[in-house]
Amino acid sequence: DTAVSQTPKYLVTQMGNDKSIKCEQNLGHDTMYWYKQDSKKFLKIMFSYNNKELIINETVPNRFSPKSPDKAHLNLHINSLELGDSAVYFCASSQVRFAGGTGELFFGEGSRLTVL
Amino acid sequence: AQTVTQSQPEMSVQEAETVTLSCTYDTSESDYYLFWYKQPPSRQMILVIRQEAYKQQNATENRFSVNFQKAAKSFSLKISDSQLGDAAMYFCACHQGAQKLVFGQGTRLTINP
Repeated sequence: DTAVSQTPKYLVTQMGNDKSIKCEQNLGHDTMYWYKQDSKKFLKIMFSYNNKELIINETVPNRFSPKSPDKAHLNLHINSLELGDSAVYFCASSQVRFAGGTGELFFGEGSRLTVL
Repeated sequence: AQTVTQSQPEMSVQEAETVTLSCTYDTSESDYYLFWYKQPPSRQMILVIRQEAYKQQNATENRFSVNFQKAAKSFSLKISDSQLGDAAMYFCACHQGAQKLVFGQGTRLTINP
């Protein structure tokens, strides 16, 4: 049973379109994240949610809108896609230190987004 | 500002030899963890090893060990008896706040048979 699962694994779309990536974790963690990995493999945090509340928004364009219906799900919707949005998007979850965890991230398999 | 620095974009090692990957970090946290993650071509992010900052003893997981120098803010990864399956991108990571894990730029490790 996959701990952190995200769908779809691959998206290919045209500039200007809107797309969504879904993420679910069955680890019982309180905190979920979206990270972006660019073509140079650099991993940068985009958003962090704790118990459905937005905790971190790392100056991401407002075309990116995360939604957390419950603490096991964190979805990412992207409007008006641009060429620079092409990347691998990773969902992750963790049990943070003040909640008894180590803060270790458990990652999904990543979703490769290609904008043409 | 980059708070986790991996100064070696690429490293290579002969199979069965030992290699050390470097990482320096900066954090305002007083209690934090440090991590090394591995990303093989499958792109899955896999935890290799973790170190709790208040523990002086260096963490070890089988062939993987760290050299943690808290005062110097250094956290290097040593891989002993390198195997072909160790070929991957390796990322060092450190907490910047309880709910934010910041990653270094990564080191691509090649294993030569």
